[in-house]
Amino acid sequence: KNEVEQSPQNLTAQEGEFITINCSYSVGISALHWLQQHPGGGIVSLFMLSSGKKKHGRLIATINIQEKHSSLHITASHPRDSAVYICAVKKWETSGSRLTFGEGTQLTVNP
Amino acid sequence: GAGVSQTPSNKVTEKGKYVELRCDPISGHTALYWYRQSLGQGPEFLIYFQGTGAADDSGLPNDRFFAVRPEGSVSTLKIQRTERGDSAVYLCASSFQAGVGDEQFFGPGTRLTVL
Repeated sequence: KNEVEQSPQNLTAQEGEFITINCSYSVGISALHWLQQHPGGGIVSLFMLSSGKKKHGRLIATINIQEKHSSLHITASHPRDSAVYICAVKKWETSGSRLTFGEGTQLTVNP
Repeated sequence: GAGVSQTPSNKVTEKGKYVELRCDPISGHTALYWYRQSLGQGPEFLIYFQGTGAADDSGLPNDRFFAVRPEGSVSTLKIQRTERGDSAVYLCASSFQAGVGDEQFFGPGTRLTVL
């Protein structure tokens, strides 16, 4: 069983829909990251969370440390949001800032 | 104000050959990370440097893989006697320092194909 699990693996939505991607982890963490990966491989950091909630534009990320769960929400989705969204954690026992990743959620938003 | 750059962007090689992949971190970033991403999977940690030294190389899959960062800036990932299973996208990331609250900035990756 992976230490970081995401659901769903694939998600197709219509433009304008509210989207939720979930991440559960089974290890102690000091931080959780949400990343966006576009075709061609480039990864962009969206959020880094250790508690509570963060918002940036149409994106909202929440984390519940007790339940070991995080969600990424996209409001008023748009085709340009189509990408792979990856959850990654910084485990307490690992060195530096090395990250442990989920397998990603492929999001497709149709016009 | 360049971001993390990686060269080459694509590399095709034959089984058994030696390859070098280069990463140029953001200027001033002391921590540098190498990850490997197989098709349809999330990235997996390989090695991280703090300055010139490899602080954690526990993710390197075997002794065919080696990485250096001699001057604390550019890093080279070296793969000897490549195998078809080494085919993946190799990602490099850097951060100002290696700490809990430090954001990592990723390069575009090098797609390695071993025929």
